[in-house]
Amino acid sequence: GAVVSQHPSRVICKSGTSVKIECRSLDFQATTMFWYRQFPKQSLMLMATSNEGSKATYEQGVEKDKFLINHASLTLSTLTVTSAHPEDSSFYICSASRGGRDQPQHFGDGTRLSIL
Amino acid sequence: GIQVEQSPPDLILQEGANSTLRCNFSDSVNNLQWFHQNPWGQLINLFYIPSGTKQNGRLSATTVATERYSLLYISSSQTTDSGVYFCAAVSYSGGSNYKLTFGKGTLLTVNP
Repeated sequence: GAVVSQHPSRVICKSGTSVKIECRSLDFQATTMFWYRQFPKQSLMLMATSNEGSKATYEQGVEKDKFLINHASLTLSTLTVTSAHPEDSSFYICSASRGGRDQPQHFGDGTRLSIL
Repeated sequence: GIQVEQSPPDLILQEGANSTLRCNFSDSVNNLQWFHQNPWGQLINLFYIPSGTKQNGRLSATTVATERYSLLYISSSQTTDSGVYFCAAVSYSGGSNYKLTFGKGTLLTVNP
């Protein structure tokens, strides 16, 4: 159990394009979802936390108008990178939790975003 | 915020060898997770361990919360164990929310 599906796995697009990444919990209800960013050979950095039906909480330094997060249902969260530029190229990973302090996070397989 | 430090940063082993990876954290944490990130980027939960010792096959983990560290043991390593091992400290961020702070990882290479 606790499977998280993330799509697409890879995106290559031109500068100025907006890109949407989906994160779905397949076999459980994800009250809370998280979005991370990972640069090559570096660690995962939390971008934002979202609770179903509420606005996302962004970490310091993350532009909320640049990275739009929607968590409209208990099984789906989306991250939209608006007007993407080459510096937005990175590996984006989502995770989902049933909510509550003692619940682990379950991770998707990540999306490799390349902006030309 | 919480600081998480992992050591060693890189580790090269011969297949069959044992190893210990260490994770130190700067403040008391509510929980600790160990992950393995394979060469394709997939992040796999290994242990969710606030304290004590847990074992899963050739892997085991021990967290000593009072001394702010956790250890991951890999025995009889295999080439498929290669990848990056992350520990992440769990801290509560208000209400029922919590966040993971990741260490920089240990890059493990197991040679045949």
